[in-house]
Amino acid sequence: KAGVTQTPRYLIKTRGQQVTLSCSPISGHRSVSWYQQTPGQGLQFLFEYFSETQRNKGNFPGRFSGRQFSNSRSEMNVSTLELGDSALYLCASSLVPDGNYGYTFGSGTRLTVV
Amino acid sequence: SQELEQSPQSLIVQEGKNLTINCTSSKTLYGLYWYKQKYGEGLIFLMMLQKGGEEKSHEKITAKLDEKKQQSSLHITASQPSHAGIYLCGAANTGNQFYFGTGTSLTVIP
Repeated sequence: KAGVTQTPRYLIKTRGQQVTLSCSPISGHRSVSWYQQTPGQGLQFLFEYFSETQRNKGNFPGRFSGRQFSNSRSEMNVSTLELGDSALYLCASSLVPDGNYGYTFGSGTRLTVV
Repeated sequence: SQELEQSPQSLIVQEGKNLTINCTSSKTLYGLYWYKQKYGEGLIFLMMLQKGGEEKSHEKITAKLDEKKQQSSLHITASQPSHAGIYLCGAANTGNQFYFGTGTSLTVIP
């Protein structure tokens, strides 16, 4: 079966712009979570969605937002981009939010802010 | 917040050698995941351990969970260049937030 699909794979944006990243989970998975990975901070949890509702949110400013659609696909939006937002953004899907069935990660979207 | 400390931070081994990576949690573990990541790519799920004393193997990689010590170890037998990458342990806390370990960078010299 198809894995977790993230689009686009690479993105270059200018400071102040906004960006939307997309994540399509494995078919049947209803939980999608987002992570930011930078060399300095490592992997950090952004938020998790289940059944179109945000269940958990990490410690990120309000410029970072997301949503989940009825087909479980999720989008993440970052407004007013800053240089420090340059990172690899990973999403993961799981059957249900409790993690008992493991998390499958996508290949990520590499965002560069210039 | 839950913290997962991995050791060593980096490892350089000769091909064919065995190695062990440890992941220690500051809080009670309710399950432990191991992932591998190649630079700039997504995470590859290796295995999930849920019960104390549980041991799982995937090809030449074996992981164990010691609930009492709040620790998991990942052992690679007869390492190959294809094993190179960053190994991350992860765990979900009671609030269903997922945390990653500090990571271990593995280099295998042919």
